[in-house]
Amino acid sequence: QVQMVQSGAEVKKPGASVKVSCKVSGYTLNELSMHWVRQAPGKGLEWMGGFDPEDGKKIDAQRFQGRVTMTEDTSTDTAYMELSSLRSDDTAVYYCATSIVGAPRYYGMDVWGQGTTVTVSS
Amino acid sequence: SYVLTQPPSVSVAPGQTARITCGGNNVGSTSVHWYQQKPGQAPVLVIYYDSDRPSGIPERFSGSKSGSTATLTISRVEAGDEADYYCQVWDSVSDHSKWVFGGGTKLTVL
Repeated sequence: QVQMVQSGAEVKKPGASVKVSCKVSGYTLNELSMHWVRQAPGKGLEWMGGFDPEDGKKIDAQRFQGRVTMTEDTSTDTAYMELSSLRSDDTAVYYCATSIVGAPRYYGMDVWGQGTTVTVSS
Repeated sequence: SYVLTQPPSVSVAPGQTARITCGGNNVGSTSVHWYQQKPGQAPVLVIYYDSDRPSGIPERFSGSKSGSTATLTISRVEAGDEADYYCQVWDSVSDHSKWVFGGGTKLTVL
């Protein structure tokens, strides 16, 4: 049984950075292709980036390029997403998501973290 | 940029069938996944690879695809099915490969 537990809510000022963690249990990070998705209040889901096993590389959504950094600590099976130069419209719930069945491209994302609320306000 | 189009809302009476569509140029040539999201909760995968159901998802949920439109069908709708539903595809046609979500459809059970 895989579980992904994310870090707690954050409040940040505009221009700051935030780092959200996602700890995996039941699997090792090496077995998973981790992705990050966010959802602004009252809005839809927005993919931010993740690892594509078909291409063997991390891919960021173009609108976040240069601002998002996704890293992994395989010694603790914890994935991280850091978003810099925060703006008020970055206020959202941030999710880590993955597939335990196979490549997300074909199997979707069947495991999600509980979400981390990030509020950007002066 | 690549766009997946969903109706903003669908309403159906309990026991009836709900159909939620997802249209896009690339839909016919890539796998479509569907997610259910209830208020305050993380999304749940209900259909993957166009029409396959993950373990634990009721048979009432089914997926299909024709041309550039994918459809999520929920049979014998129950009050507990009321939620937002999102389609998702992997866009490898554009210059920059990426995941794309539809705008979401709010299913209301009357």
